Amino acid sequence: AQKVTQAQTEISVVEKEDVTLDCVYETRDTTYYLFWYKQPPSGELVFLIRRNSFDEQNEISGRYSWNFQKSTSSFNFTITASQVVDSAVYFCALSEAGTNAGKSTFGDGTTLTVKP
Amino acid sequence: DAGVIQSPRHEVTEMGQEVTLRCKPISGHNSLFWYRQTMMRGLELLIYFNNNVPIDDSGMPEDRFSAKMPNASFSTLKIQPSEPRDSAVYFCASSRDPYTGQPQHFGDGTRLSIL
Repeated sequence: AQKVTQAQTEISVVEKEDVTLDCVYETRDTTYYLFWYKQPPSGELVFLIRRNSFDEQNEISGRYSWNFQKSTSSFNFTITASQVVDSAVYFCALSEAGTNAGKSTFGDGTTLTVKP
Repeated sequence: DAGVIQSPRHEVTEMGQEVTLRCKPISGHNSLFWYRQTMMRGLELLIYFNNNVPIDDSGMPEDRFSAKMPNASFSTLKIQPSEPRDSAVYFCASSRDPYTGQPQHFGDGTRLSIL
């Protein structure tokens, strides 16, 4: 069965600090997809990034970067020089291509608070 | 392009009443998902459709909940009769093709309060 664990329930940092959000997943499929979503205080869920299981290349988008490591079943998200606007709940999600294809399993989310 | 549109944004009603939540997916998206989010249980998948056909409704809490997708541009989630424990934020999401890992795009949600 697929599972996503975000062990950090809450993280609090001061503006301009770097912060890493951890995501560990479990799956038996060889083909799967990983996602990060952001839920700001306004409540909507916003898609940030997708990775497939065959692409372990890390990605950087501005202050955001993602580190995908199949050896440790992790897909971590780093925010560099955090800003108050980064305060949100961040969800990691997993979607398999096999038996459970089509639906995503979400982690419980990490609440990030960036203080000025 | 317009995103996923949900209505109403807020709904307050008394227990026992019928509640209908509505969703218009992004045009061209073949799959539609209904989620419920609460503090206690987090984000739960209730049901999802592919090409208007329900694929997995194992997350629907009980018979009081029903969902339909009569066409590619509209879906409803009904609760009848409603109970206070149904209070939550209900999200609708759509995806172009989740089977190939296309992401889900979420609506703004409906905040439901059952008194």
